[in-house]
Amino acid sequence: DVKVTQSSRYLVKRTGEKVFLECVQDMDHENMFWYRQDPGLGLRLIYFSYDVKMKEKGDIPEGYSVSREKKERFSLILESASTNQTSMYLCASSHRDTGEKLFFGSGTQLSVL
Amino acid sequence: DAKTTQPTSMDCAEGRAANLPCNHSTISGNEYVYWYRQIHSQGPQYIIHGLKNNETNEMASLIITEDRKSSTLILPHATLRDTAVYYCIVRALYGGSQGNLIFGKGTKLSVKP
Repeated sequence: DVKVTQSSRYLVKRTGEKVFLECVQDMDHENMFWYRQDPGLGLRLIYFSYDVKMKEKGDIPEGYSVSREKKERFSLILESASTNQTSMYLCASSHRDTGEKLFFGSGTQLSVL
Repeated sequence: DAKTTQPTSMDCAEGRAANLPCNHSTISGNEYVYWYRQIHSQGPQYIIHGLKNNETNEMASLIITEDRKSSTLILPHATLRDTAVYYCIVRALYGGSQGNLIFGKGTKLSVKP
């Protein structure tokens, strides 16, 4: 069964901390994505990557960075966490040839205090 | 990408067919219709997609009108586990920013015993 695994289900951090959210997929997918989901705002794309060491900004990249050193792993980094980054973070992946058929992880609920 | 309109919520009796409508009157000729669902506290799950012909898989059927301005997702025998928010998304294959799907608010389907 295909799988996108996010390292933590729940995470609590303090304002100003550096936060790493990890995502691993086992489907040999080229494309990987980071979304955040907030009530009333739906899912919003933060960053995405179509290949190793490659990254593209999504709709709301401010305050975030990403790293893709290996094909199966895509990390989201909050350089200095702030309370407005409290959210559900969702990682997804897709194959190059079926790019819109996304497979999502279960999400990480991040609370920044 | 074309905009979609879905009812906010729907109820369905367990064991009956659930028919979820979606309007996409501004759809372009190269745009596909995708359906995803999100069960509470989980990431979205791909269901099905189509261009102009009706499609069926193990999860659901997708009926697209001849003018392609609307579609219906059919869950033939709804179960309690089908309770979720269902998203209809219109997107060109290999459109810019592959995977940058706009999920909107979707339809909250409640399957009742």
